[in-house]
Amino acid sequence: QAQLVQSGAEVKKPGASVKVSCKASGYTFIGYYLHWVRQAPGQGLEWMGRINPNTGGTDYAQKFQGRVTMTRDTSISTASMELSRLRSDDTAVYYCATEVHPDHYFDPWGQGTLVTVSS
Amino acid sequence: DIQMTQSPSSLSASVRDRVTITCRASQTIHINLNWYQQKPGKAPKLLIYAASSLQSGVPSRFSGSGSGTDFTLTISSLQPEDFATYYCQQTYSSPITFGQGTRLEIK
Repeated sequence: QAQLVQSGAEVKKPGASVKVSCKASGYTFIGYYLHWVRQAPGQGLEWMGRINPNTGGTDYAQKFQGRVTMTRDTSISTASMELSRLRSDDTAVYYCATEVHPDHYFDPWGQGTLVTVSS
Repeated sequence: DIQMTQSPSSLSASVRDRVTITCRASQTIHINLNWYQQKPGKAPKLLIYAASSLQSGVPSRFSGSGSGTDFTLTISSLQPEDFATYYCQQTYSSPITFGQGTRLEIK
């Protein structure tokens, strides 16, 4: 079955960058958009953007423009999200999720990666 | 951006109760509305897609309805495992947006 497995937890200092990876299995990686969603402690879900694994094309939420970079490596069915110039309010669990067409829902989701930003 | 407003923000209910959560979009999203359930420490789980289609494997006590700007998620008879947080999501236009969540607690 389709599955997304993310990289492990990270602790970073303010101003640093973090890169989270998301490995897909059980489906055709290049056939479905891959999204990134984050959730700050005790808060709701926030969409960060998406990547088309086939073309590498991206669509970022305006809030993250200039700080986020989404990439993919089709040879290993893996997408990555790099967030730079980290601040304390970037502390969150970061999820990847596959968008299923034609109904545009997210399934499956990765297990989440906790990124802690602390001096 | 399309704003998604859920109500209530929290809800206390008992096992076997019927519960309804509403989600309102700031502009029409047709039926591009999905519902997710999230339990503490876990990723969201898809329940309903395209406003009213039940995801495979999800119990039939969950149902969704609505179109345009107003949507509902109904749980017909609450079970102990249903106590969680529920989110609506619009995928009609970018940026994709979520409701703020509804926390369903045991009374």
